[in-house]
Amino acid sequence: GEDVEQSLFLSVREGDSSVINCTYTDSSSTYLYWYKQEPGAGLQLLTYIFSNMDMKQDQRLTVLLNKKDKHLSLRIADTQTGDSAIYFCAESDYGQNFVFGPGTRLSVLP
Amino acid sequence: KAGVTQTPRYLIKTRGQQVTLSCSPISGHRSVSWYQQTPGQGLQFLFEYFSETQRNKGNFPGRFSGRQFSNSRSEMNVSTLELGDSALYLCASSLVGGASNEKLFFGSGTQLSVL
Repeated sequence: GEDVEQSLFLSVREGDSSVINCTYTDSSSTYLYWYKQEPGAGLQLLTYIFSNMDMKQDQRLTVLLNKKDKHLSLRIADTQTGDSAIYFCAESDYGQNFVFGPGTRLSVLP
Repeated sequence: KAGVTQTPRYLIKTRGQQVTLSCSPISGHRSVSWYQQTPGQGLQFLFEYFSETQRNKGNFPGRFSGRQFSNSRSEMNVSTLELGDSALYLCASSLVGGASNEKLFFGSGTQLSVL
C-alpha cells in the first residue's frame, strides 16, 4: 500500500534554515501537503503542491518536489522558536485516501 | 468562517465504558474524516463520512463506529473502551472529498484517556 516516510527529528539554530524531507511511494499521488502540529493542537495546513509542479514558494516556506524520486521537501527560511512543532507530510490521490507520514519533530534552539 | 470544532476537548473514561465524540465541520463542508493519533502509531485513518454515508473505513475493530447527520456534523463512538484506545482523536473536514485539489482542515482534537 501507499507509504510516506519522514525522519523523526530535526534540530536547528534560530535564524538558520530548516529542511524537512519526505518520501512517498504512491506514483498516482496528485497533491502533496505539509501540515504543522503544535503541542495540544490539531494539524494546520501549511502548504501544498500539485504533482506536476516542482517548486512552490510561500513567504518563508519553499516546497520542492522531485516526482521522479518521489521526494518532497519543506524549507523554512529564518527559522524561529515559534516554528518548533511536528511537521507532517501527506499525499492524496485526487483528494481521497490521504496518507500521512509519521511526522518530523522540529526543535529550534536559541 | 469558524473552523472545525470538536467536543469535548478532554475525556477521562475507564475500561469497559463507551464514549461519544462530536465534530462540527467548517460551514459548507460535507466530508468528515476521523483519525486516531498516538505517539507509537502516528496518525491512523478511522473512517470518512459524506452525505450521511460512510464512504471509507480504516482498519479498526467494530468497537469504533461513527455517523453523520444531515447538517454534516459527525459523531464517533467507541464501545467497550480499552487502555490502548487512549489517544488524540482528530476530526477533519473537506468540501466534498475526492476532488483533485481537496484539502483537509483539522479540529483541535479530543484527548481521550482510558484508565
